[in-house]
Parts: sequence; structure tokens; C-alpha cells
Amino acid sequence: GQQVMQIPQYQHVQEGEDFTTYCNSSTTLSNIQWYKQRPGGHPVFLIQLVKSGEVKKQKRLTFQFGEAKKNSSLHITATQTTDVGTYFCAGPPGGFKTIFGAGTRLFVKA
Amino acid sequence: EAQVTQNPRYLITVTGKKLTVTCSQNMNHEYMSWYRQDPGLGLRQIYYSMNVEATDKGDVPEGYKVSRKEKRNFPLILESPSPNQTSLYFCASSSRTGGGTGELFFGEGSRLTVL
Repeated sequence: GQQVMQIPQYQHVQEGEDFTTYCNSSTTLSNIQWYKQRPGGHPVFLIQLVKSGEVKKQKRLTFQFGEAKKNSSLHITATQTTDVGTYFCAGPPGGFKTIFGAGTRLFVKA
Repeated sequence: EAQVTQNPRYLITVTGKKLTVTCSQNMNHEYMSWYRQDPGLGLRQIYYSMNVEATDKGDVPEGYKVSRKEKRNFPLILESPSPNQTSLYFCASSSRTGGGTGELFFGEGSRLTVL
């Protein structure tokens, strides 16, 4: 079946450093979503990308959707301690299913 | 306040004792879904519902049942729980029913331990 691979699994950064997580699907996605889950919390929607090659920014966060709509990335510039958590990508393979990546857990050292 | 409410938040039970985890949303969303979260595996979809009386299997439906008799409620039923169903469960809802699920709103989660 379809898989969504996400790397790295963990990332430790010093506050102020940049961070990137990558998401790769085995099949073409109609769209891709990104979620953030704080430790002990629930996933919270960040953004949805729909168009091939789309780039969207939210303050220090930059999201990209690949030209082939099979990969995506989330880049955080100058991390802060408030960025701590696990970042998930999610894509529908078609219909109403949602496949989540395993997530990248971000640790930020002050 | 718009929210997805799950109960119970924490539950310890024994193998074979039927249990139900309730999920209710107040946003008039058509789409609802259940996920389980296990370390290193991310969120895996158990069942989803496109609307009342319309449900379908996700990737890990074995051992679970669902029903959607009302738009706001989507209970998850474990008829005979086993230890491998020990997990953190999330219910989510969305207003989209076509071309994907749209933004998912998650409940706070229900941590289930089966002894």
C-alpha cells in the first residue's frame, strides 16, 4: 500500500539554528498537510499544499510541495524553544483516507 | 468553542472486556476519523466516516468497530480488547468531504492500556 516516509526521525538543534523535515510519498498526492504536536498534546493543523511546486510561508516556517507532488518539506528558520514538538506530514492517497508520516521530533536547546 | 471531545481520556482495562471510546464534535463536520498513535509509527487511521451511516476502513481496522448514527458522534468500539491495542487514540473531524479530508481538528486523545 501507499507509504509516506518522513525523515529525520529526530533532530536536536541549538536555539537559533535552522531545521528541516522531509516527507516522501510512494504515490502522487492530491495535496499534503502538515501538523504539529506538542509533547503531551494533540496534532494541530499547520497548512495544506495543493499545487505542484507550491511554496507557502508562515512567519519562520516555509512549506514546499514537490513538482511531482510526491514529496514535501517543512523548514523552520532560527528555531525557538516554542518550536519543540513533533511535525507530521499527511496526504490523502485518494478518497477520504489520510496517510501520516511517522513524524519528526524536534528538540531545541536554549 | 469549536472542539472535538473524547472520553475517556485515560483508561486501563483487561483483555476481553468490551469498551467504547466516545467522540463528539460541535462543528457540524461531515467527516470524522479515528487514529491510533504508537511510538515510531506516527498516526495510523483506523476507521473514517464521510457522513451519517457512511463508514469505511482505514489502514488498521482489525479489532475495532465504529458507528455513525448521528452527525456529531463517532464512537470507537473495542469488542474484545487485547494488549496490542494499548495505544493513544485520537478522534478527528473535518468539514471537507470531497477531494481529500481538508483540515483535521483533533480531540485531546484517549490513552488506553489493555492488561
